[in-house]
Amino acid sequence: GNSVTQMEGPVTLSEEAFLTINCTYTATGYPSLFWYVQYPGEGLQLLLKATKADDKGSNKGFEATYRKETTSFHLEKGSVQVSDSAVYFCALSGQAGTALIFGKGTTLSVSS
Amino acid sequence: GAGVSQSPSNKVTEKGKDVELRCDPISGHTALYWYRQSLGQGLEFLIYFQGNSAPDKSGLPSDRFSAERTGGSVSTLTIQRTQQEDSAVYLCASSLADYYEQYFGPGTRLTVT
Repeated sequence: GNSVTQMEGPVTLSEEAFLTINCTYTATGYPSLFWYVQYPGEGLQLLLKATKADDKGSNKGFEATYRKETTSFHLEKGSVQVSDSAVYFCALSGQAGTALIFGKGTTLSVSS
Repeated sequence: GAGVSQSPSNKVTEKGKDVELRCDPISGHTALYWYRQSLGQGLEFLIYFQGNSAPDKSGLPSDRFSAERTGGSVSTLTIQRTQQEDSAVYLCASSLADYYEQYFGPGTRLTVT
């Protein structure tokens, strides 16, 4: 079945450091891929998405590229801020209107 | 516009009691999903409704869990005879039928004592 594997945290960085959170997936067909973020005390928010191979999703300085050859969708940001401290979830969907399959989440902590 | 809303935000119940959790999806969204977020299991799919089709119940962990969606809008998740392992945050999400983006509510934190 479909699955998502993401690097375990916590990830601790200093402000302005470069961030990478690895995410790989197993899926049949051509899934859509997502990164969701959960800030402390808040609900899940869609951060970015990519619906086909080689697509790059981007938002708030974060980027991720859908790599079918390596079945990966790694999240990157060039310069993190304290306000980026949150839990990040990689997810996939096999088709529109079906349930999301999530990775276990990666906690990011950024200090000033 | 209004997002997905859930009530109550917190629920504490005694083991063996029944609980009902409510979800109001975004107006016009025909798909509605329930997920559970717990420390040990991460984010798990429970059930989803798509328009007038029969719901996909494949993620429900036991027959103590059920859900309904009235009038294609509001949904209620019911847990009967609650157990301590049911303690978790229950999340609801909705999406337009042909779009992939799911929008999540703030969740209901359920604590079974």
